[in-house]
Amino acid sequence: ETGVTQTPRHLVMGMTNKKSLKCEQHLGHNAMYWYKQSAKKPLELMFVYSLEERVENNSVPSRFSPECPNSSHLFLHLHTLQPEDSALYLCASSQDNGRQPQHFGDGTRLSIL
Amino acid sequence: GESVGLHLPTLSVQEGDNSIINCAYSNSASDYFIWYKQESGKGPQFIIDIRSNMDKRQGQRVTVLLNKTVKHLSLQIAATQPGDSAVYFCAENKDNFNKFYFGSGTKLNVKP
Repeated sequence: ETGVTQTPRHLVMGMTNKKSLKCEQHLGHNAMYWYKQSAKKPLELMFVYSLEERVENNSVPSRFSPECPNSSHLFLHLHTLQPEDSALYLCASSQDNGRQPQHFGDGTRLSIL
Repeated sequence: GESVGLHLPTLSVQEGDNSIINCAYSNSASDYFIWYKQESGKGPQFIIDIRSNMDKRQGQRVTVLLNKTVKHLSLQIAATQPGDSAVYFCAENKDNFNKFYFGSGTKLNVKP
């Protein structure tokens, strides 16, 4: 099993659809993250979960709704998205015990029609 | 070759040469830094990290240098190979263990 797995890898949806992105980590980490990566822009932190509690919500619109049912799984529920939400959505995990690197999945490429 | 990561987004080097990728970080209070490599169609991959109590750290074919005086971080890749072609970006962290600030990245092209 790879360390951090994201599904689906690609998603095309209309603005009125509802979909969910899934992330699973097999590294035994206790913190998980959602990032947005747009072309030629730095990674934007969206949400942080530590020990299954949301500890960071970086002014993300309510049309993005995260869920962390346990320390290994993270979801991002999407509804009524806008064309500017088209991007690569990356999930990461880390061990929450000091300065530790985050390990990323390969992302979901999201296109909003 | 040498590049300022945030101002020259592309660096081209000959296979076998050494590469130097630079990053100017923003916060003098940052005390932990990471270099990531991102290949096309993949997520960022951890390369090497360094804490602010160090000036230099070496890995396999890579070296990270930290100059806190001028808030500058560099990644040196020895004997650059075609498989090193990717976007490289730095990330800085200060007092929040789980909040990193990422640079825009430098694209490294390795010419055979």
